[in-house]
Amino acid sequence: TQLLEQSPQFLSIQEGENLTVYCNSSSVFSSLQWYRQEPGEGPVLLVTVVTGGEVKKLKRLTFQFGDARKDSSLHITAAQPGDTGLYLCAGGGYGTSYGKLTFGQGTILTVHP
Amino acid sequence: DVKVTQSSRYLVKRTGEKVFLECVQDMDHENMFWYRQDPGLGLRLIYFSYDVKMKEKGDIPEGYSVSREKKERFSLILESASTNQTSMYLCASLAASYNEQFFGPGTRLTVL
Repeated sequence: TQLLEQSPQFLSIQEGENLTVYCNSSSVFSSLQWYRQEPGEGPVLLVTVVTGGEVKKLKRLTFQFGDARKDSSLHITAAQPGDTGLYLCAGGGYGTSYGKLTFGQGTILTVHP
Repeated sequence: DVKVTQSSRYLVKRTGEKVFLECVQDMDHENMFWYRQDPGLGLRLIYFSYDVKMKEKGDIPEGYSVSREKKERFSLILESASTNQTSMYLCASLAASYNEQFFGPGTRLTVL
């Protein structure tokens, strides 16, 4: 069974601060997705990383896939109240598990004005 | 843009009722999924389908069944709803590349 450990579970910061969320596993993933979910809504895909060592930027958000494809991080620069939400990482399987995702437990981010 | 819709945003049912949750995607995706999401437990896979009339159990299939008669539609059925099935239910469909799943808005089901 693949597991994806996401940390921290909760993050409460002031507007303008930087933050990093981590996802770690002992398993190798074919890809890694990051989602953001607002209360009462479904998760929305932010980014997919597929190559070991890959870095992708989405405005103030920077996503990195570890060289061994077992871990990933999400860094937010100068957080804003609009960044508040639940952030989920999800690892994609190989072979017969292709198409199935292993989800982290999520990070609840609150950015205070 | 991929669009995944779910039949209801909020649903209140009584214990023992049969409940149907429907999900429709407009991108001709072959794979579709049903999850439930509970605080502290994350997203848990109930069932998935990789083709019309094909289904496979996920991690927590007990108390649920599914139906996929058409490619665009995937239904989750609670044969006899129980209070421990109160949850947020999320449907997703899978793009062919890179394991990308696209989610619907969710159905918040309350069983009284």
